[in-house]
Amino acid sequence: AQSVTQLGSHVSVSEGALVLLRCNYSSSVPPYLFWYVQYPNQGLQLLLKYTSAATLVKGINGFEAEFKKSETSFHLTKPSAHMSDAAEYFCAVSSSGTYKYIFGTGTRLKVLA
Amino acid sequence: AAGVIQSPRHLIKEKRETATLKCYPIPRHDTVYWYQQGPGQDPQFLISFYEKMQSDKGSIPDRFSAQQFSDYHSELNMSSLELGDSALYFCASSRTSGPYNEQFFGPGTRLTVL
Repeated sequence: AQSVTQLGSHVSVSEGALVLLRCNYSSSVPPYLFWYVQYPNQGLQLLLKYTSAATLVKGINGFEAEFKKSETSFHLTKPSAHMSDAAEYFCAVSSSGTYKYIFGTGTRLKVLA
Repeated sequence: AAGVIQSPRHLIKEKRETATLKCYPIPRHDTVYWYQQGPGQDPQFLISFYEKMQSDKGSIPDRFSAQQFSDYHSELNMSSLELGDSALYFCASSRTSGPYNEQFFGPGTRLTVL
């Protein structure tokens, strides 16, 4: 069975500071990994995805994530937080053969002025 | 680019009533997924359809049913609504022939049960 763990349900950073949102996965087969952002009362927007090509994945809005198989991690980072980054972030896993997404419990990012 | 369309965007129902949510996938996408996101919760997979056949099933209550039609749109039918059914319901679509079946999400239908 697949699962995703997001450490830290709430993360606060100062504007301009590094953003680090943690995601660890469990999968018995090669996973596909995704990060989504959700703004209040809105849908899910794809930030980036890992599909077994490059382990360092660059996404939209300056976000990137690195797939580390040895650590079963796919942490999301951004060098400099912006006020507009305040939102809920979800990590998700799927794999070939069972394409449904399993989501983590989400991390709410707060950016302090 | 065309996106996934969901209707209605908002729906208010009374307990024990019935609701129907509709999803129109991106053109040429053959798979539809339904997810339920309760207040402050992560999205939970309900059910999926590939080429009009149910392909996977998650934590969907027996009171709910869904189908995919010949034009690939899908409907989620919810009967005997309960207060706990209040949630944001997402539909996503994908093209199964793609390498990793990336899902594209619709804006969601917010269902409120009073």
